Amino acid sequence: DTAVSQTPKYLVTQMGNDKSIKCEQNLGHDTMYWYKQDSKKFLKIMFSYNNKELIINETVPNRFSPKSPDKAHLNLHINSLELGDSAVYFCASSQDRNGETEAFFGQGTRLTVV
Amino acid sequence: QKEVEQNSGPLSVPEGAIASLNCTYSDRVSQSFFWYRQYSGKSPELIMSIYSNGDKEDGRFTAQLNKASQYVSLLIRDSQPSDSATYLCAVFTGKLIFGQGTTLQVKP
Repeated sequence: DTAVSQTPKYLVTQMGNDKSIKCEQNLGHDTMYWYKQDSKKFLKIMFSYNNKELIINETVPNRFSPKSPDKAHLNLHINSLELGDSAVYFCASSQDRNGETEAFFGQGTRLTVV
Repeated sequence: QKEVEQNSGPLSVPEGAIASLNCTYSDRVSQSFFWYRQYSGKSPELIMSIYSNGDKEDGRFTAQLNKASQYVSLLIRDSQPSDSATYLCAVFTGKLIFGQGTTLQVKP
C-alpha cells in the first residue's frame, strides 16, 4: 500500500504543451511538497502546502501551478512546457510543517520535454 | 554560499570499512537535520534524523551534529556494497533544504 503515490511515473511531451502530475498520500499528513531534482541530482523545493494552504512558494515560473483539493492531494500543473523543465519531480509529505518529522517521498515523475 | 553543502564525491570505500559523509549548513537557527539515501532512479528515503548536538546511533549508522560548527555527519560502519547510493543531507529552516548529495561507492 503506497504511502505517497505520483502519476504518471514517466512523462514525455513536446515543448509548449500543458501537463499535470498528480500526487496522493494516505499517511494522514498535513503537509505536502513538490520538489524538482535536476540532472545533477540537486533536490530543490518548489511548493509546500499545509492543510490545503500554500505556505511555501519558491522562485518558480508562473507556468507552474500547484493545486491542493484536499490535504491528501497535491497536484502540479505546468503550462507551456520548456526544455529546461525536464527533470524528476518528487511529491512528498510530512506530518507537520515544523520540520520535526521526516518527509516521505513519492516514486518521482521523470518529465522529458522534447 | 549554498545553504547546505556536501562534497559530491564519489567517495569510494572498501567493503567493511567506515564511510564518513559530511555536511555543512549556513543557517544557524536550523533545528532539524536529516540524512536520506537515494539509489539511482529511486526516491529519497530517510536513514537518520537528529535534532540535538552529539551522536545518534541506529544500527550501522551514526549521525553526528555540531550546531556550533554548523556541521552534521553520517558514519556508516561495516560498509556493504548495498550501501552504494547517493546520500543527501537535509536541513530544516522553515523549509527542508537539501544538499547536492554525496555519491558513495562501496567496493567488494
